[in-house]
Amino acid sequence: EAGVTQSPTHLIKTRGQQATLRCSPISGHTSVYWYQQALGLGLQFLLWYDEGEERNRGNFPPRFSGRQFPNYSSELNVNALELEDSALYLCASSEGLGYTFGSGTRLTVV
Amino acid sequence: ILNVEQSPQSLHVQEGDSTNFTCSFPSSNFYALHWYRWETAKSPEALFVMTLNGDEKKKGRISATLNTKEGYSYLYIKGSQPEDSATYLCALVSNTNAGKSTFGDGTTLTVKP
Repeated sequence: EAGVTQSPTHLIKTRGQQATLRCSPISGHTSVYWYQQALGLGLQFLLWYDEGEERNRGNFPPRFSGRQFPNYSSELNVNALELEDSALYLCASSEGLGYTFGSGTRLTVV
Repeated sequence: ILNVEQSPQSLHVQEGDSTNFTCSFPSSNFYALHWYRWETAKSPEALFVMTLNGDEKKKGRISATLNTKEGYSYLYIKGSQPEDSATYLCALVSNTNAGKSTFGDGTTLTVKP
C-alpha cells in the first residue's frame, strides 16, 4: 500500500512568488492535514481538508490556502511568499488512529 | 491555547540504558494524545494513540502511560539501541478545535553504541 506522497521534495522560490505543494493521502483516507515546521519551531497546524471541504485552519494568514480534489489529493498554495515561509511542509492523512505523514516539501524562499 | 511541553529537549544515553521522557499539557482538554518518532530524513511515524486516563501502550521495548488528571504522559524506552535515536514528539488532538493537533517541540534522543 502506497503511503502519503508529497511533491516536490524541494522547492526554491523568490519572495513575492507563489508556491504550490501537492499531497496524495493513503488510499481510502478522506482527510488531509497540512503542517508547517519552520526553522527552530515545532509542527504548526495549517489546514484540514475532509471530503473536499476545508474543515479547519490554523493561525496562518489567508495567503496560505489550498484545496482537496475529488480523489482526496490536496494542494497547498502559498501566495506572496515571504522569507519566513521557508519551512518544511508536511502533509498527513488519518483514519483516526494517528497521522501517517508524507516525507515533506522543503520550501526555501530567497 | 493548548500548550504542550516536552522534556528534556535532548537526551544522550549509552546503548543498553533505559530512558524516559515527559509530555505535559493542560489536563483533560483534548480527545487523544499521540506519540510519534521522527528519524532524521524520514517522516514522523506514529507510535501510540492514547485516549483514556491510565491508558498504557507497549510496542516492543517502548511503552507509554497517560495521566489525564495530572496532565502528563511518559514515554519509556527499555534497553536503548542506536536505532532508537530520533526525535520523539507528542501531540494532543483537540476536542474543541476539530482536526487540529498541537505538537510539542519534541525530545531528541541520541543513543551511543
